[in-house]
Amino acid sequence: DSGVTQTPKHLITATGQRVTLRCSPRSGDLSVYWYQQSLDQGLQFLIQYYNGEERAKGNILERFSAQQFPDLHSELNLSSLELGDSALYFCASSPYGYGYTFGSGTRLTVV
Amino acid sequence: AQRVTQPEKLLSVFKGAPVELKCNYSYSGSPELFWYVQYSRQRLQLLLRHISRESIKGFTADLNKGETSFHLKKPFAQEEDSAMYYCALRPPLVFGKGTRLSVIA
Repeated sequence: DSGVTQTPKHLITATGQRVTLRCSPRSGDLSVYWYQQSLDQGLQFLIQYYNGEERAKGNILERFSAQQFPDLHSELNLSSLELGDSALYFCASSPYGYGYTFGSGTRLTVV
Repeated sequence: AQRVTQPEKLLSVFKGAPVELKCNYSYSGSPELFWYVQYSRQRLQLLLRHISRESIKGFTADLNKGETSFHLKKPFAQEEDSAMYYCALRPPLVFGKGTRLSVIA
């Protein structure tokens, strides 16, 4: 167990729907990062939160949003889902941006 | 803009042969580089950080600022080394597209 917990592990949903992915960082880590892993694009950085505030943005679509709550857990919201959004979504956490620890990921399948 | 390039999508070597996974980066500041390994679509695990100059599972990597490279090396490949290897540059972590290492018995 890496200490970073992601739920659910698997998610199957239809096009046009909205889903929420959850990430609990390692105890004490203030930074949370979201990544999308697909076969053709590899690992794409989506967004970073630090202690509740957005810190950096990567290739995140406008249909996607995220937030980090006071207890430091984070949620990634994906809406108006398309077939191409099917991917593994990883969350990682770190203290002050060092030593990223990754969760096991959520496998999203859009049908 | 920061960018990481791993030129090989797939690298196949025989057991006991040397391995070199290439990584080149582009970054205007002082880079921090990492190698991550991923077994069978599991979570990524940190393998090496350039600042620690350590050897993990027999792998080493040296940062060459002149050539903007951070190649991963192992003198004798083992079957259990078969996995996806990602080079990454921070901050925040930007990954290369990865190299799949296949070690043939």
